[in-house]
Amino acid sequence: GAVVSQHPSWVICKSGTSVKIECRSLDFQATTMFWYRQFPKQSLMLMATSNEGSKATYEQGVEKDKFLINHASLTLSTLTVTSAHPEDSSFYICSATGQGHEQYFGPGTRLTVT
Amino acid sequence: DQQVKQNSPSLSVQEGRISILNCDYTNSMFDYFLWYKKYPAEGPTFLISISSIKDKNEDGRFTVFLNKSAKHLSLHIVPSQPGDSAVYFCAALTQGGSEKLVFGKGTKLTVNP
Repeated sequence: GAVVSQHPSWVICKSGTSVKIECRSLDFQATTMFWYRQFPKQSLMLMATSNEGSKATYEQGVEKDKFLINHASLTLSTLTVTSAHPEDSSFYICSATGQGHEQYFGPGTRLTVT
Repeated sequence: DQQVKQNSPSLSVQEGRISILNCDYTNSMFDYFLWYKKYPAEGPTFLISISSIKDKNEDGRFTVFLNKSAKHLSLHIVPSQPGDSAVYFCAALTQGGSEKLVFGKGTKLTVNP
């Protein structure tokens, strides 16, 4: 149980375009989902907390107009990187909490902006 | 200000021996701790957790010890296996709060055959 999927697993896009990443909890309902970013050889950086049916809460320094988060249902949250630039290239990971405190992570999405 | 610290960026052990990964925290409000294992280009996998009301939690080869007075926890893996080679992240949160995890920077464990 507690499986979280992400789609796509990797994406290459041109500078100035937008990219949408989906995060799904496959076998449980997730009231809260989290979006992280990981730079090479660094820890996970929390970008935002996404609650179903309400606006996401962004961490300090994360541009909410650039990283649009939608949590439309208890099993789906999406992250849209708008007007992507090469510095947005990174590994994006989502996680979801079920009934306990454990967060279950998706496999991640590698974004490369050329 | 790093609230969760993993001071050893890497650790190398022989197969069959014990691996001990350490983690320190500074925020006394943290009361729930988790360990995650991560392979390159994959999401972290939950391993084991411990609440601050306990000082030990065991699950198979994995045991987590918590020393609240020292604000220190450790993950013991015994016996270590080559498949355990990965980056291990320590994380902490405050129950009843936002459920946001605060991660350490990770320790890369290499288990040599």
